[in-house]
Amino acid sequence: QVHLQESGPGLVKPSQTLSLTCTVSGDSVTSDSYYWSWIRQPAGKGLEWLGRIYRSGITNYNPSLKSRGTILLDTSKNQFSLNLSSVTAADTAIYYCARENFGYAYYYMDVWGKGTTVTVSS
Amino acid sequence: SYELTQAPSVSVSPGQTASITCSGDKLGNQYASWYQQRPGQSPLLVIYQNNKRPSGIPERFSGSNSGNTATLTISGTQAMDEADYYCQAWDRSTVVFGGGTKLTVL
Repeated sequence: QVHLQESGPGLVKPSQTLSLTCTVSGDSVTSDSYYWSWIRQPAGKGLEWLGRIYRSGITNYNPSLKSRGTILLDTSKNQFSLNLSSVTAADTAIYYCARENFGYAYYYMDVWGKGTTVTVSS
Repeated sequence: SYELTQAPSVSVSPGQTASITCSGDKLGNQYASWYQQRPGQSPLLVIYQNNKRPSGIPERFSGSNSGNTATLTISGTQAMDEADYYCQAWDRSTVVFGGGTKLTVL
């Protein structure tokens, strides 16, 4: 059974960098069948895909992040991470990591973590 | 940027059929997915590649996608189906979600 678990500080000060880690069990981040993704959800609002990473280290990001986001892979720990710089209150949200399937004309997330709440406040 | 449009809310009586739609330019030219999110829980994939159900998802959930509209249909809706539902597609290799539809079973 595949399990994803987010971890990281629940409170980040404005202008600082938000750093989260997703630990994967039951699968390998070096699998050639999946991407590993980050999604967030502000309280009471919808889902926003932030970006993904493949085992090769290739990444894609939502243009809305305006180059503030970085996703990295740590194969030795079977983890991947999200760094989001220059955060503001608008970055306050529940952050989810997920396993992303892909193929011709499709992408979808079949396994999600439980999410971790991040608040940006001084 | 690519946008997916969903009605904010849909209501259905128990046992009836609920239809939740998702509109996007030429959406039928790609595969759409649907997620269910109950309060306080993570999203759950209920339909992928337009009409496929993951293991463990009841047969009452079905999907279709043609033209500019994808549709999630829940037949014989149950109280436990009350949740937010999000459609999802992609554009230029980035994932796009619809704004979500709150399904009320009353």
